[in-house]
Amino acid sequence: NAGVMQNPRHLVRRRGQEARLRCSPMKGHSHVYWYRQLPEEGLKFMVYLQKENIIDESGMPKERFSAEFPKEGPSILRIQQVVRGDSAAYFCASSPASSGQETQYFGPGTRLLVL
Amino acid sequence: DQQVKQNSPSLSVQEGRISILNCDYTNSMFDYFLWYKKYPAEGPTFLISISSIKDKNEDGRFTVFLNKSAKHLSLHIVPSQPGDSAVYFCAAIKTGANNLFFGTGTRLTVIP
Repeated sequence: NAGVMQNPRHLVRRRGQEARLRCSPMKGHSHVYWYRQLPEEGLKFMVYLQKENIIDESGMPKERFSAEFPKEGPSILRIQQVVRGDSAAYFCASSPASSGQETQYFGPGTRLLVL
Repeated sequence: DQQVKQNSPSLSVQEGRISILNCDYTNSMFDYFLWYKKYPAEGPTFLISISSIKDKNEDGRFTVFLNKSAKHLSLHIVPSQPGDSAVYFCAAIKTGANNLFFGTGTRLTVIP
């Protein structure tokens, strides 16, 4: 049973470009969470999605950031017009529908570097 | 607003001795606590958890203690092994909420 998969593992963008981060949850998991870890900080919640629905986006910046989890395919975190402050590690986690949200399994992360 | 705090950024312990990692929280609504272990370039891996109805949970070499009145929890690893060297994150959640709140992590180094 493959774990949570994220790609790319590393992404380099210039200021003003778009970044697309993909997350495939564990098999059988229908809940996806995105977290961001800035240097020297802990992980901070961004958004919680179920298939085709955004349930909680209270941690998402109001502009430039969006997330989706389509019926088919991976969850996508999209950052438009990236700035240097977006440089961070972005982690996706998933959980099965039958569990509480506390049972989250993390992917290896995507490290975004904005030049 | 850091609701979960790990005040020790690093800890070094001799192999075979006990490692004690500490965590404090401020939100009394949290009722479930977790410890994650993280190696470089990998995602956090779930280690052990505890519900607020308990004050201790043990799993092999790992034990988590919860002191609700002090809003404090700790992770004990005994005996410590070199493979335990990693960054340990404490996390907390209110059951039914969507997001985990993480501490800033403690880097444990176990010296052979």
